[in-house]
Amino acid sequence: RKEVEQDPGPFNVPEGATVAFNCTYSNSASQSFFWYRQDCRKEPKLLMSVYSSGNEDGRFTAQLNRASQYISLLIRDSKLSDSATYLCVVNRGGGFKTIFGAGTRLFVKA
Amino acid sequence: GAVVSQHPSWVICKSGTSVKIECRSLDFQATTMFWYRQFPKQSLMLMATSNEGSKATYEQGVEKDKFLINHASLTLSTLTVTSAHPEDSSFYICSGTGIMNTEAFFGQGTRLTVV
Repeated sequence: RKEVEQDPGPFNVPEGATVAFNCTYSNSASQSFFWYRQDCRKEPKLLMSVYSSGNEDGRFTAQLNRASQYISLLIRDSKLSDSATYLCVVNRGGGFKTIFGAGTRLFVKA
Repeated sequence: GAVVSQHPSWVICKSGTSVKIECRSLDFQATTMFWYRQFPKQSLMLMATSNEGSKATYEQGVEKDKFLINHASLTLSTLTVTSAHPEDSSFYICSGTGIMNTEAFFGQGTRLTVV
């Protein structure tokens, strides 16, 4: 089993749709959690951190359930520019040793 | 955010030669540098973790004699792919973090093609 597992993609959605990505992690000692976005042939960019209380940044909402070892990302009112691969990232702890999920590809179409 | 400069951005080399990739933290001191590789349509895979002034810690399955990592200063880490072969062709990317940072900052990545 992979340490971080994500929904298989790709997700194909129309503009304006709401889309949700899920992620599970196996290491219960994991300490911090992130969603990154990666455009084709580019480096990953931090989208948002994920907190236990849940957090929102504009159209993006992230949730963390430590008991279930589950992380989610909700994108509302999808834009064409949201098309990218979304990576669930888990920090094992101590120096930001980050483990990436395989990524979920999102295509937003007009 | 902080900047990590990685170069070269792409390199083509002959099989059997060695390639060095550099990552420099431009506006922070990278106490820890992580090296990843990403094969097409696959996830970023952590290769090794290096702390400044210490030997790198390699992930299982990564050959430390083939992928030489040097992190001799707080602003520079290098990855040398020795005796490269076509199967080493991949996207290599570093990320650095410092004591005061709350996230890791990525270099731009290096696309290595071994012919």
